[in-house]
Amino acid sequence: GDSVTQMEGPVTLSEEAFLTINCTYTATGYPSLFWYVQYPGEGLQLLLKATKADDKGSNKGFEATYRKETTSFHLEKGSVQVSDSAVYFCALRTGIEGAQKLVFGQGTRLTINP
Amino acid sequence: EPEVTQTPSHQVTQMGQEVILRCVPISNHLYFYWYRQILGQKVEFLVSFYNNEISEKSEIFDDQFSVERPDGSNFTLKIRSTKLEDSAMYFCASSVRRDNSPLHFGNGTRLTVT
Repeated sequence: GDSVTQMEGPVTLSEEAFLTINCTYTATGYPSLFWYVQYPGEGLQLLLKATKADDKGSNKGFEATYRKETTSFHLEKGSVQVSDSAVYFCALRTGIEGAQKLVFGQGTRLTINP
Repeated sequence: EPEVTQTPSHQVTQMGQEVILRCVPISNHLYFYWYRQILGQKVEFLVSFYNNEISEKSEIFDDQFSVERPDGSNFTLKIRSTKLEDSAMYFCASSVRRDNSPLHFGNGTRLTVT
């Protein structure tokens, strides 16, 4: 079945460091790919998405490129801030009619120290 | 910005008791979902709901679970006879359409079964 594998956490970085959180997927069909973020005490928020191969999603300085050849959707940010501390979830949704459900990775907890 | 709201934020119940988790989706959204996250594990799809009926459900969503939209605003998840393994964070989500429109998640209800 469809699955998402994320980099094991927790990840701790200093402010202004470069961030990469790896995400790879297995899916039938042509999935859409997402990154969701969960700040402390809050729900899951959509951070960015890409719906087809080679698309780049971006938001709040974060980027991820849909790589079909490597089945990956790695999250990157050039210079992280303390406010980026959160749990990040990679997810996919297949394009099959009716398969609206999201399949999530296990989440990666990110802590940014000042 | 409109939000999905969930109540209560934390519920403690005894094994075998019935519990109802409540959600108010965003008002113009038509598709509703429940997901759960057992501590330390992935966020898992439970059920999707559209036009007053279940459109898809996972293997987790057995006869002990039910969903209802009792009025024009609430969307509830009922667990008839809770088990210890039902302890988890339960997330409600809604979307405008079934296609690539994003899911908006609530902050979750933490259910603890003792």
